[in-house]
Amino acid sequence: GEDVEQSLFLSVREGDSSVINCTYTDSSSTYLYWYKQEPGAGLQLLTYIFSNMDMKQDQRLTVLLNKKDKHLSLRIADTQTGDSAIYFCAESIGGGFKTIFGAGTRLFVKA
Amino acid sequence: NAGVTQTPKFRVLKTGQSMTLLCAQDMNHEYMYWYRQDPGMGLRLIHYSVGEGTTAKGEVPDGYNVSRLKKQNFLLGLESAAPSQTSVYFCASSYLSRGGNTQYFGPGTRLTVL
Repeated sequence: GEDVEQSLFLSVREGDSSVINCTYTDSSSTYLYWYKQEPGAGLQLLTYIFSNMDMKQDQRLTVLLNKKDKHLSLRIADTQTGDSAIYFCAESIGGGFKTIFGAGTRLFVKA
Repeated sequence: NAGVTQTPKFRVLKTGQSMTLLCAQDMNHEYMYWYRQDPGMGLRLIHYSVGEGTTAKGEVPDGYNVSRLKKQNFLLGLESAAPSQTSVYFCASSYLSRGGNTQYFGPGTRLTVL
């Protein structure tokens, strides 16, 4: 079945780069997403990448997609304390309107 | 726009009690979803709807029912609550676009079943 896996925790120092990794299983996924969840709130879309792209950059965020290995990563440059949150990797399946979420990676940013 | 709203924000139930969680969206989205979030397990899809009057089962539908009588509302019902249903429940809505299926989430309902 479909599955999205990501590590549960990541700790970085303020100003460093953070890299959050994810693997997915559905090779037919057309879109892959990164969502951010701040404490006590719902998820918000951070960025997405279409499956025919290798990389997408959006200000401090860089998404890398390796379709062969079904590996997705999110790099946050110059990580700030405000980036502390849970980051969810997700893939769209089944015609696009269903999304499978990973368990989320909790990012701790130390000042 | 209020986006996606959920009521209530918090609720404590005793085992066997029933309740309904309400989700409303004002973005005219076709698709709506109910998820539960448990520690270390991410989001699991309970039920979803692809349009007014339609519903379908997700990954963990047992013990829950849903209704989508109006396009903007999606109700999640627990007929006989069990402690295993203690969780944070999120509603989301979406539409298909060039950006795929970006989902917009409500703030969540924290439910405790004693």
